[in-house]
Amino acid sequence: EIVLTQSPGTLSLSPGERATLSCRASQSVSSSYLAWYQQKPGQAPRLLIYGASSRATGIPDRFSGSGSGTDFTLTISRLEPEDFAVYYCQQYGSSPRQTFGQGTKVEIK
Amino acid sequence: QVQLVQSGAEVKKPGASVKVSCKVSGYTLTELSMHWVRQAPGKGLEWMGGFDPEDGETIYAQKFQGRVTMTEDTSTDTAYMELSSLRSEDTAVYYCATASIPIAAAGNDAFDIWGQGTMVTVSS
Repeated sequence: EIVLTQSPGTLSLSPGERATLSCRASQSVSSSYLAWYQQKPGQAPRLLIYGASSRATGIPDRFSGSGSGTDFTLTISRLEPEDFAVYYCQQYGSSPRQTFGQGTKVEIK
Repeated sequence: QVQLVQSGAEVKKPGASVKVSCKVSGYTLTELSMHWVRQAPGKGLEWMGGFDPEDGETIYAQKFQGRVTMTEDTSTDTAYMELSSLRSEDTAVYYCATASIPIAAAGNDAFDIWGQGTMVTVSS
């Protein structure tokens, strides 16, 4: 099973700042099958990025994904108030088996 | 508009079973590969299992093998997840989730469609 480790656990930033979230896999993720989700309290997760770098429908271009192999990054170029949430990475390269990272909380500083 | 609508909250005693439903609208169930993900209170997301379209079978996470059964009723476009021998650690929100046809057609299995979640509480 591929284990995903996200860092940092919590990111304290101010609106307008840049956020950089990391997701490291215990082994190479096949075909960059890596996704990022945003989750707010009481809501289901929302898909932001799939295939490591493709934005899902309706996702603002301040969200971008990069990386390959075992190291992936989600970047939020300028934080908006609605971006403060928990973010999860997910690998589905061994689909249908998949795993999630433990999450990174982006909180207001 | 594609939607997944799940059944309501459940309260169960330890040792009992729970069956959660997930009704598809906007697509037919046969067009989708349905998965189930759970989230314990204050914790992260945990994949439980899902349909493998290449084999036509459902694959379960090893942690849940022998305790979970995922089924589908294509006549009503409804997926089900049944978890047995419940214990307090199974208290969680259970989600059904899937990739829409445009996402899946690109060879991706990322979940862009989620149900609203079903809270299952296990308590004596």
